[in-house]
Amino acid sequence: GIQVEQSPPDLILQEGANSTLRCNFSDSVNNLQWFHQNPWGQLINLFYIPSGTKQNGRLSATTVATERYSLLYISSSQTTDSGVYFCAGGGAGGTSYGKLTFGQGTILTVHP
Amino acid sequence: DADVTQTPRNRITKTGKRIMLECSQTKGHDRMYWYRQDPGLGLRLIYYSFDVKDINKGEISDGYSVSRQAQAKFSLSLESAIPNQTALYFCATRGQGDTIYFGEGSWLTVV
Repeated sequence: GIQVEQSPPDLILQEGANSTLRCNFSDSVNNLQWFHQNPWGQLINLFYIPSGTKQNGRLSATTVATERYSLLYISSSQTTDSGVYFCAGGGAGGTSYGKLTFGQGTILTVHP
Repeated sequence: DADVTQTPRNRITKTGKRIMLECSQTKGHDRMYWYRQDPGLGLRLIYYSFDVKDINKGEISDGYSVSRQAQAKFSLSLESAIPNQTALYFCATRGQGDTIYFGEGSWLTVV
């Protein structure tokens, strides 16, 4: 199956700093998505981004599908950005259709 | 109200007991999923369903079973719970737009 590798595994920032999280896939994926898990365990969908670039406030994401990676940018980080960030993607067909494989996550801690 | 609702949110059960986690959704989506989260391992797919008559195993289905009672309901059962099934369980739905929506999660502890 598809392998998903996220980096870095841990990231500690001071409030106001910028950061880039990366997600690499072992094979072509569709329906690539980024999620944020807050300290209470809730999973929130940040972006559905199979290709191209999207922005939502201080967050933006870019997926280069041909090179099998995606980046999540966080600008002017805030303490509320703390948590775990996951990327996930599914195969384009066959037995992978409709399923999402998750990376192991990047644990982000933002200090005031 | 949440679009994807899981019950119970927290449960402690004993080894060997049967337990069911229930999921209901109001988004009208056909596709529903059960995932399990363990520390440092991300989320792993247990079972998924594309409609009421469709059930598919995910990567870690052993020890689990599911039932899709209606389009809006997808339940996960542990027939005989064991301690290594202690985890955070998530139900999720997905519509034609491919964005996936998660429930709030169910913390299960098997002692």
